[in-house]
Amino acid sequence: GAVVSQHPSWVICKSGTSVKIECRSLDFQATTMFWYRQFPKQSLMLMATSNEGSKATYEQGVEKDKFLINHASLTLSTLTVTSAHPEDSSFYICSAIPGTGNTGELFFGEGSRLTVL
Amino acid sequence: RKEVEQDPGPFNVPEGATVAFNCTYSNSASQSFFWYRQDCRKEPKLLMSVYSSGNEDGRFTAQLNRASQYISLLIRDSKLSDSATYLCVAGTSYGKLTFGQGTILTVHP
Repeated sequence: GAVVSQHPSWVICKSGTSVKIECRSLDFQATTMFWYRQFPKQSLMLMATSNEGSKATYEQGVEKDKFLINHASLTLSTLTVTSAHPEDSSFYICSAIPGTGNTGELFFGEGSRLTVL
Repeated sequence: RKEVEQDPGPFNVPEGATVAFNCTYSNSASQSFFWYRQDCRKEPKLLMSVYSSGNEDGRFTAQLNRASQYISLLIRDSKLSDSATYLCVAGTSYGKLTFGQGTILTVHP
């Protein structure tokens, strides 16, 4: 099946620093990628939809200036958590759909566990 | 009200048991439905899609009732390896998926 790679798998940073997470589709082109956040014992919450070559679409309550998303190529989307604070500590997961505009299976990255001290 | 609601459990069952999970969704525009499985501290993985006609994959059977906006998953002959969190998912035509909070299953010897 399709493979989505996410890096880093875990990161610990100091409060106030910025952290970049990469999401790559390894064997397919993804015009659309999704970024989710999952707090302990809670479900995945969609943060934003990342569209190649255009601005990301953010879900209500997600600060676009804090969570910067760049989707500059068909195989790479990045999420930058700017000025991270302890409350941003979470499991961030990206996903991608092979092809365009379908509602088929989503392929998930392995997730990135962020801990902000 | 959450868009996708599940009984969080936990469900603790012995090996060989049959267990059923239920889920309801509130967005009538939802067009696609899935069950995902998530192991502890891992990313979700697709277990199966759910169709109105019902579908079966080995020990797993999924059902969808659009009229009542209800989705179910039945696991027969539970294995220890089935222990995980099961996520009910509803999707729209533009690819946005909404996840339920998950149902925790523990299968014990």
